[in-house]
Amino acid sequence: KAGVTQTPRYLIKTRGQQVTLSCSPISGHRSVSWYQQTPGQGLQFLFEYFSETQRNKGNFPGRFSGRQFSNSRSEMNVSTLELGDSALYLCASSLGTGGSTNEKLFFGSGTQLSVL
Amino acid sequence: AQSVSQHNHHVILSEAASLELGCNYSYGGTVNLFWYVQYPGQHLQLLLKYFSGDPLVKGIKGFEAEFIKSKFSFNLRKPSVQWSDTAEYFCAVNEHNAGNMLTFGGGTRLMVKP
Repeated sequence: KAGVTQTPRYLIKTRGQQVTLSCSPISGHRSVSWYQQTPGQGLQFLFEYFSETQRNKGNFPGRFSGRQFSNSRSEMNVSTLELGDSALYLCASSLGTGGSTNEKLFFGSGTQLSVL
Repeated sequence: AQSVSQHNHHVILSEAASLELGCNYSYGGTVNLFWYVQYPGQHLQLLLKYFSGDPLVKGIKGFEAEFIKSKFSFNLRKPSVQWSDTAEYFCAVNEHNAGNMLTFGGGTRLMVKP
């Protein structure tokens, strides 16, 4: 069974540009969550999608957005990039939305974004 | 807002030593608690979790954690570490009914010397 796949693995952009990151969840998983990981702030929740609907949103500016498609694949977009957006962006998938003791989040390897 | 504190940023142990990593959270409501591990070059993976019931939770690879509600703590333990336990460990919390919105601690880097 394939794991969570994130593309691209590395990305270099300049300030002011926009970027789109992609995440393919494990087959059958309907929930996709996004996290930002930086040395200074650690792991921070961005948003969660379930069945194409945003279920939860973290404390990030509106420049960060996402969506989920009918096949559960998800994309996140960051517009007007700032230097501080340089980070590892992690995607995680699960069967449902975390309310069951059987739920488990599976993380991808991440997309390393560098903003110059 | 929730916050999660991991007291030790770096821990160095010799093989066979006992391990305890501290984790405290701040939130007054009902929470689910997790420990995740990231081995070198690998992605984050779940070590163990607490949802309800017995506060002593056993996970993979001989790890366990104890939820002490009165202390808002969920410390991770292992009686005898191995070199292969070298990794970064993250404590995480989420509120009931908050989906997969986890609040993570800053992580603890564990190095086990052979």
